[in-house]
Amino acid sequence: AQSVTQLDSHVSVSEGTPVLLRCNYSSSYSPSLFWYVQHPNKGLQLLLKYTSAATLVKGINGFEAEFKKSETSFHLTKPSAHMSDAAEYFCVVSAASSASKIIFGSGTRLSIRP
Amino acid sequence: KAGVTQTPRYLIKTRGQQVTLSCSPISGHRSVSWYQQTPGQGLQFLFEYFSETQRNKGNFPGRFSGRQFSNSRSEMNVSTLELGDSALYLCASSFRDDGRQTQYFGPGTRLLVL
Repeated sequence: AQSVTQLDSHVSVSEGTPVLLRCNYSSSYSPSLFWYVQHPNKGLQLLLKYTSAATLVKGINGFEAEFKKSETSFHLTKPSAHMSDAAEYFCVVSAASSASKIIFGSGTRLSIRP
Repeated sequence: KAGVTQTPRYLIKTRGQQVTLSCSPISGHRSVSWYQQTPGQGLQFLFEYFSETQRNKGNFPGRFSGRQFSNSRSEMNVSTLELGDSALYLCASSFRDDGRQTQYFGPGTRLLVL
């Protein structure tokens, strides 16, 4: 069985400060892990993906995430927040051959203060 | 390469009516999945299609149905609409029927049932 937990439903940071969005997962197999971003009234856009290669994954728009097997975590970070980063972020885990087994986290809403 | 397209983008229906939503995947993608997104339930898996065959179905009533055509385009139908069907319906495509594949999402169809 697999599951994913996004530890914060809402994160607020000031523009120019670091961003940390936390995600823990549980999986019986070697998982693939994803972070998606959703801007208001838009679909989900892939930020980055981990598939058992390098544990530090770089994504678009300056985001990166580190896969830590010992901590079963896949936290998303960005050194300096921009106003355009305000959105909903979803951590996703998949370890199976079917899209029906993809598990979405509940989402973290990121707010950026001027 | 064009992204996933969904039509229509917005719909308003009344209870008891039926609705058909359409999704055109990225060229070359043969797998299409549908999701329902609501503030209360988050992202929930509806169906997955690959090569015109429904591979999996989520925990939704029989009022929700879908199909995939030979060109990989997919439609979903909801009959006898209920107020609770108001949601953002997202379609995602991937190259193969494999949960480890990156899913590319369309912008969604926002359905409002009055």
